[in-house]
Amino acid sequence: RKEVEQDPGPFNVPEGATVAFNCTYSNSASQSFFWYRQDCRKEPKLLMSVYSSGNEDGRFTAQLNRASQYISLLIRDSKLSDSATYLCVVTAPKAYYGNNRLAFGKGNQVVVIP
Amino acid sequence: DGGITQSPKYLFRKEGQNVTLSCEQNLNHDAMYWYRQDPGQGLRLIYYSQIVNDFQKGDIAEGYSVSREKKESFPLTVTSAQKNPTAFYLCASSRTRLSGNTIYFGEGSWLTVV
Repeated sequence: RKEVEQDPGPFNVPEGATVAFNCTYSNSASQSFFWYRQDCRKEPKLLMSVYSSGNEDGRFTAQLNRASQYISLLIRDSKLSDSATYLCVVTAPKAYYGNNRLAFGKGNQVVVIP
Repeated sequence: DGGITQSPKYLFRKEGQNVTLSCEQNLNHDAMYWYRQDPGQGLRLIYYSQIVNDFQKGDIAEGYSVSREKKESFPLTVTSAQKNPTAFYLCASSRTRLSGNTIYFGEGSWLTVV
C-alpha cells in the first residue's frame, strides 16, 4: 500500500458548487498533515495544515480522521481560480536521524467549469 | 522579499553531461531539500540537509549529488549516471528539521535531456 493515496480525478466542478475529496495514508503513526495547492507547471504552495480538530480557512475546510486514516478537503462556492491540483502531504515517520520526512500524494486535480 | 530562488528555470542537457541546479534561500532555514516530480506523479525526495556540512540521501539519490557549504545554498548536481533526468526539480526548505515544520518550495527547475 502506498504511503499516501489520492484519486487523481479530474474533479470537474461547476462554478459555485462544492467539491470534496479525501486522501488516505498508510502509517498510523503519521503526525502532521497538510494540503498543498499546485498550479500547472508551478511549485506547490501550502494551502493549509490539517489539525486534529479540523480547521477552516474561508471556503476551504480540512478534516482529519485518524481512525480511518484519511484527511479531507472541502471547497465551497468553487471559483474558477480554484482550478489546480491539490496535494496531500503527510509526515512519514521514517527513522531518519532527522525528521520532517514528508510523503506526497499524486494530487487531486480540480477543474472548475464556468 | 524572503524566499527560495532556483536557477536556471529551464535547462537542456546533452546525454553524458553533468549539470548543476542552484538553490538559494534567505529565510534563515536550517533544513533544505531537493525533490523530483515527474508528470502525474507525486514528489520524490532526492537529498535533504538538516544543517550545514551535512546531508542525507532520500529515496532516489542515485545519479545525483549535493553539497551544503553554506546555510543559504544547497546546489544539486545531476550526473551522467542519472538515466532518466528529464523532470521538474523542486528545492524546498523548512525552519528546522522537526516534524511538522512547514516546507516552502522554490519555483522549480525544468531539466530536459536532449
